[in-house]
Amino acid sequence: EIVLTQSPGTLSLSPGERATLSCGASQSIDSSYLAWYQQKPGQAPRLLMYGASNRATGIPDRFSGSGSGTDFTLTISRLEPEDFAVYYCHQGGTFGQGTKVEIK
Amino acid sequence: EVQLVESGGGSVQPGGSLRLSCAASGFTVSSNYMTWVRQAPGKGLEWVSVIYTGGSTYYADSVKGRFTISRDSSKNTLYLQMNSLRAEDTAVYYCARGGYYYFYGMDVWGQGTTVTVSS
Repeated sequence: EIVLTQSPGTLSLSPGERATLSCGASQSIDSSYLAWYQQKPGQAPRLLMYGASNRATGIPDRFSGSGSGTDFTLTISRLEPEDFAVYYCHQGGTFGQGTKVEIK
Repeated sequence: EVQLVESGGGSVQPGGSLRLSCAASGFTVSSNYMTWVRQAPGKGLEWVSVIYTGGSTYYADSVKGRFTISRDSSKNTLYLQMNSLRAEDTAVYYCARGGYYYFYGMDVWGQGTTVTVSS
């Protein structure tokens, strides 16, 4: 069973700063099936990226995804107030444990 | 409007059963991969089950043999039959379009329905 490990667990940043979130797989995975989700308190998750690097409909271009094999990254180029949330990577039947992006 | 609306959650004793429903509008359930994901209180997301367009189903090891995913095309609705419920099944359950080795990810989510298993 593939394990996805996200780092860091919490990222404390200020609006306008760049956020870099990592997702590591316990073995090489097909990047076609790697997705990222954003979740805010009390809300359902929202799809951000699919196929590792494709933005979902309506997702602003400050969000980007990259990676292959065992290492994947979600980058938020300039944090907006609405970006402070928990982010999950996902592939197949596995989610990462999440990275919380909080206001510093 | 493309939308998913879950229902059927509630409180149940350990060993009991519940059936969750997920009514879709704006698209056809049977023409899409459909997934259930859950989230225990204060925890992360956990993938539960998927049903493919062809009817194949897959389950997380934690629910295999106890949960059954199905769909009713006439009602355009997805279901999750949950039997032999345990305290660790307590969670918000979300249905989503897509998922489980699907290139386009899970792009539509319901609002979630809460299941509490407690004596």
